[in-house]
Amino acid sequence: DTVMTQSPATLSVSPGERATLSCRTSQYVGRKLAWYQQKPGQAPRLLIYDASTRAIGIPARFSGSGSGTEFTLTISGLQSEDYADYCCYQYYNWPPTFGQGTMVDIK
Amino acid sequence: QEHLQESGPGLVKPSETLSLTCTVSGYSIGSGFFWGWIRQPPGKGLEWIGTIYHTGTTNYNPSLRSRLTMSMDTSKNQFSLSLTSVTAADTAMYYCARSEQQLPENWGQGTLVTVSS
Repeated sequence: DTVMTQSPATLSVSPGERATLSCRTSQYVGRKLAWYQQKPGQAPRLLIYDASTRAIGIPARFSGSGSGTEFTLTISGLQSEDYADYCCYQYYNWPPTFGQGTMVDIK
Repeated sequence: QEHLQESGPGLVKPSETLSLTCTVSGYSIGSGFFWGWIRQPPGKGLEWIGTIYHTGTTNYNPSLRSRLTMSMDTSKNQFSLSLTSVTAADTAMYYCARSEQQLPENWGQGTLVTVSS
């Protein structure tokens, strides 16, 4: 299976600042990489798919980049509602796999 | 957009079968899309379980394939998961989701299933 490695495990960011999250895949996944946001007690919400395309209704402060095996999620101007867990997901190789997540908390 | 809601027993005994149903409102599941299941053990990451296409074609995670069956009932607008011979390792929050190919896009709220005697 494709192993997804996210870093850091926890990221402390002040409100209004930028958060940069990394996802590395053990095998090539092209641009078939998505990012989800998950808050306690809630279902994951799709933020980004195909590495850089924002899902419907996702604010422009969320952006994704990368291809191949290295990907980045950037949250510009962190807002209170953005403190959450973020995980990456590849759907290029079989079976699809998720990363373990990065928790973004308040600095 | 469509709404998905999981239902099923919250407690299953070891070696028995875990059965869950996802009821979809706001979209007819027989019209299109893939319909799938994802799970998350307590304190751990998400695991893709499988999908069923609106035609009935299934795709299963190889790690679960020997124990897994997915089905759909278009008359009730529901799809289901059956996992046999469960162990404590199957304890998890189980989510159903509407997927575009193998990309889960719209998720249910999830249902916690505990495997314990």
